[in-house]
Amino acid sequence: DIQMTQSPSSLSASVGDRVTITCRASQSISVYLNWYQQKPGKAPKFLIYAASSLQSGVPSRFSGSGAGTDFTLTISSLQPEDFATYYCQQSHSTPFTFGPGTKIDIK
Amino acid sequence: QVQLVQSGAEVKKPGASLKVSCKASGYTFTGYFIHWVRQAPGQGPEWMGWINPNSAATNYAQKFQGRVTMTRDTSISTAYMELSRLRSDDTALYYCARAVYSGSLHWFDPWGQGTLVTVSS
Repeated sequence: DIQMTQSPSSLSASVGDRVTITCRASQSISVYLNWYQQKPGKAPKFLIYAASSLQSGVPSRFSGSGAGTDFTLTISSLQPEDFATYYCQQSHSTPFTFGPGTKIDIK
Repeated sequence: QVQLVQSGAEVKKPGASLKVSCKASGYTFTGYFIHWVRQAPGQGPEWMGWINPNSAATNYAQKFQGRVTMTRDTSISTAYMELSRLRSDDTALYYCARAVYSGSLHWFDPWGQGTLVTVSS
């Protein structure tokens, strides 16, 4: 199975900050990497596919990059609605594994 | 709009079985795979498997082989996930999600609202 790790596990930030989350796969997954946002009590919401392609309707302050084993999700200017937990997920091969999440809270 | 609506919360005793439903609307049910994902309290999501509503073909995660069964009823655009021999560590939120494909890429969008399953004696 492909193991996904994320760092940091949590971070505190302020509105307007630039935030970067890292996701690492235990083996190369090319660009088969998706990102999701989850708010408390809600289902995950899809944000980014193929490592860097933004889902329609997702604000342009979100961006993704990377290939192979190392990936990043960046929020260029954090907004109040962005405080949530973010998960990466590999769609390269079954079982389709998720990272443990990065929780962004208000500083 | 595309929507997945799941059945309500369940409380089960260890050793029992569970069946969660996921009703699709707003799109052609047989045109998209349905995946099942669970999330234990405070944990990241865990993929359980998929069903192709068109053919009924399934693919289960090794971890759940022998305990999980995914089925569908195309007449009512509903997918089902049945998990048997429940244990306390099966306590989790269970989600269905539609898989969207672009070539060999795919992602989960949207997700159902989740079904809370509590396994306790």
